[in-house]
Amino acid sequence: TQLLEQSPQFLSIQEGENLTVYCNSSSVFSSLQWYRQEPGEGPVLLVTVVTGGEVKKLKRLTFQFGDARKDSSLHITAAQPGDTGLYLCAGHTGFQKLVFGTGTRLLVSP
Amino acid sequence: NAGVTQTPKFQVLKTGQSMTLQCAQDMNHNSMYWYRQDPGMGLRLIYYSASEGTTDKGEVPNGYNVSRLNKREFSLRLESAAPSQTSVYFCASRDWRGQGDNQPQHFGDGTRLSIL
Repeated sequence: TQLLEQSPQFLSIQEGENLTVYCNSSSVFSSLQWYRQEPGEGPVLLVTVVTGGEVKKLKRLTFQFGDARKDSSLHITAAQPGDTGLYLCAGHTGFQKLVFGTGTRLLVSP
Repeated sequence: NAGVTQTPKFQVLKTGQSMTLQCAQDMNHNSMYWYRQDPGMGLRLIYYSASEGTTDKGEVPNGYNVSRLNKREFSLRLESAAPSQTSVYFCASRDWRGQGDNQPQHFGDGTRLSIL
């Protein structure tokens, strides 16, 4: 079974702080996606990274795919309360299935 | 455009009871998935259906069965519910275009299932 470990599991910060979430595996993925999930809802796609070393930016969120395509990071600059949620990384194995990470729960307080 | 619709939203069962979770998508996607979500474990794949007429086991299939009724609908059945199956269940669909594609999965809002 391919595993994706996320760290930290929980993060509670004040509005305006910066943070980084990590997603690590010993397996290689053809691509990696990041989803955000809010309470009572299903996950929603934020971004897909495909090429080793790729960096994508989505407003204050910066996503990076590791050179070896085994890990990824999500950096949020100047976090806002609206960033609160569960962040999930998910790796494509090249077939039909996604392997999801263990999740990072973020709470941003005003 | 409703996307992925799951019913029911909440359910409480007694050990040994059976029930079927329903999922329907209106995006004409060919692939559909069932996951369970437990604290600290992310989403784990139970079963998936690559296309109408096919189903395959995921990571945690024991105690579950599925039916791909048509292109729109994919149901999950618990034949004899156990407390270990208490979880939040998510259905997802995807417009799979072939090996190596990166289309996102679209999720429903989940079914919260408690088994006493």
